[in-house]
Amino acid sequence: DIVMTQSPDSLAVSLGERATINCKSSQSVLYRSNNKNYLAWYQQKPGQPPKLLIYWASTRQSGVPDRFSGSGSGTDFTLTISSLQAEDVAVYYCQQYYSTPFTFGQGTNLEIK
Amino acid sequence: QVQLQESGPGLVKPSETLSLTCTVSGGSISTDFWNWIRQPPGKGLEWIGYIYNSGSTNYNPSLKSRVTISVDTSAGHFFLKLNSVTAADTAVYYCARREGNGWFNYWGQGILVTVSS
Repeated sequence: DIVMTQSPDSLAVSLGERATINCKSSQSVLYRSNNKNYLAWYQQKPGQPPKLLIYWASTRQSGVPDRFSGSGSGTDFTLTISSLQAEDVAVYYCQQYYSTPFTFGQGTNLEIK
Repeated sequence: QVQLQESGPGLVKPSETLSLTCTVSGGSISTDFWNWIRQPPGKGLEWIGYIYNSGSTNYNPSLKSRVTISVDTSAGHFFLKLNSVTAADTAVYYCARREGNGWFNYWGQGILVTVSS
């Protein structure tokens, strides 16, 4: 199984400031034949299912605000929120879909400082 | 717009079988990838498995010996059965559609299943 490890586990950021969440996979999720990273990011608010934010490591899902961006390749990835809004308080998960079993990071709890 | 809704018992006794239904609307249940994912209270997400093409399945090896996912294409439902449950199987169970290449773009609201006598 590919193990996904996020850091930090918890993060407190002031409104309007940048938030950065990291995700590391135990093996590369870059598929060389198409040069795509099989990595997605989700946002989960209390009592709700996860919501897809980013796929292919950096492609924003339709309707997701452009303050959310994804970067990285191979085994190291980052989710950045450029200017934190109150509605961004949530738990964030990365997920690899390079191979089954599909696996998720343990989650990063993002709060307002 | 694809919509999914989980249903089933919220309480299951230890050693018995957990059975859930996911009702799908707006998607092609006979061709898309339909998944079950679970989340123990206060914990992270675990992919259970999927069914596609009206019957082909892929399960998480950690649960494979106890899991069956099936589909009723005429009724627009797919199903999860997990047998020999223990307290460790207590979780919110989600059904979700996987986009062809692998991310989950549509989710049900989830159903909490508690394993307890």
